Amino acid sequence: GAVVSQHPSWVICKSGTSVKIECRSLDFQATTMFWYRQFPKQSLMLMATSNEGSKATYEQGVEKDKFLINHASLTLSTLTVTSAHPEDSSFYICSAPLAGGTSYEQYFGPGTRLTVT
Amino acid sequence: QKEVEQDPGPLSVPEGAIVSLNCTYSNSAFQYFMWYRQYSRKGPELLMYTYSSGNKEDGRFTAQVDKSSKYISLFIRDSQPSDSATYLCAMSPTGANSKLTFGKGITLSVRP
Repeated sequence: GAVVSQHPSWVICKSGTSVKIECRSLDFQATTMFWYRQFPKQSLMLMATSNEGSKATYEQGVEKDKFLINHASLTLSTLTVTSAHPEDSSFYICSAPLAGGTSYEQYFGPGTRLTVT
Repeated sequence: QKEVEQDPGPLSVPEGAIVSLNCTYSNSAFQYFMWYRQYSRKGPELLMYTYSSGNKEDGRFTAQVDKSSKYISLFIRDSQPSDSATYLCAMSPTGANSKLTFGKGITLSVRP
């Protein structure tokens, strides 16, 4: 099956610094990728839709200047958390649907756990 | 009212039990319905998907969708300790590349 990877799997950073998280589709191309955030014992909350070659679409309430998304190629999307604060500590997960596929043909990465101290 | 409601549990059952997990939703535009399993500190993995109303069976798992009641279910037969995980329902209105709306997830524990 299709594989999506994320890097890093776990990162600790100091308050005020920026952190970049990568999401890669390893064996298929993804013109669209989705970024989610998940707090402990909570569901996945969609943050933004990343579109290759164009600007990301952010969900209501998500600060686009704080969570920078770049979809540089058909296999790579990055999420940069700028000026991170402890309240940004969370589990960040990306997903990539198969191009032209149905909504259930979305493959999730293993997630990145961000801890801001 | 949230778009997707899911009893957060947790749910604990003995090994071999039949497990019933449910979600309700309010958006009548939802056409695609999925169940994901998520182990602790891992990304979700797709278990079952169904388009529109009906039943779908895959091994020990059965997914049911009742669009008239806006209600979906996942049944797990002969539950195993390895089924212990968080189960999330997800839905979308369209088929292609569409974003998913998730339920809150329910944590299932199957006792040996």
